[in-house]
Amino acid sequence: EVQLVESGGNLVQPGGSLRLSCSASGFTFSNYAMHWVRQAPGKGLEYVSAINSNGGSTYYADSVKGRFTISRDNSKNTLYLQMSDLRPEDTAVFYCVKEPGSSNTIVPYYFDHWGQGTLVTVPS
Amino acid sequence: EMVMTQSPATLSVSPGERATLSCRASQSVASNLAWYQQTPGQAPRLLIYGASTRATGIPARFSGSGSGTEFTLTVSSLQSEDFAVYYCQQYNTWPSFGQGTKVEIK
Repeated sequence: EVQLVESGGNLVQPGGSLRLSCSASGFTFSNYAMHWVRQAPGKGLEYVSAINSNGGSTYYADSVKGRFTISRDNSKNTLYLQMSDLRPEDTAVFYCVKEPGSSNTIVPYYFDHWGQGTLVTVPS
Repeated sequence: EMVMTQSPATLSVSPGERATLSCRASQSVASNLAWYQQTPGQAPRLLIYGASTRATGIPARFSGSGSGTEFTLTVSSLQSEDFAVYYCQQYNTWPSFGQGTKVEIK
């Protein structure tokens, strides 16, 4: 069974930093590109970032480019999101998501498994 | 930027009735369209991909149709567990989501 478990969410002051983690199990983590999607409280879903299977290629939404860094450690089956210069508009539940395709490239895709999410709060 | 627009924002339906949800893309996304269901406090769940293919374990009462810019999700006979928020997502370009349609009990 695929499991994605996020951690690291917290209350952080504007301008601060935080690192989210996502521990993956139930599939061959190193074969899949992985993604982060976020959801502000009471709002819709926003695509954040992607990383290919070996970590050599990444993508960022314009809203986080230059502030967030996605990475992975395939030896630990773990995905990361390093967030810096956090703003109140970054307040959201961050979901770690898996795409169904096994590929070394990152391409637009849908998401067949989602973690339960971790809440990041940046007060105004 | 690909903008996805869902309608209506809220749909009031009685249990057992049919629900029809719409999603429109600002440009053609071919059939690269997925639907998700989200219940309160839970992560989204994949229902449909490729505009019309049900994901593993999804009941046959859920169906998707459309291509290009116009898409529809139909729930043929609403069960109590189907009252939720539904999102469409295009993946023809970097993913973007609609704002959601809340299906509530009438």
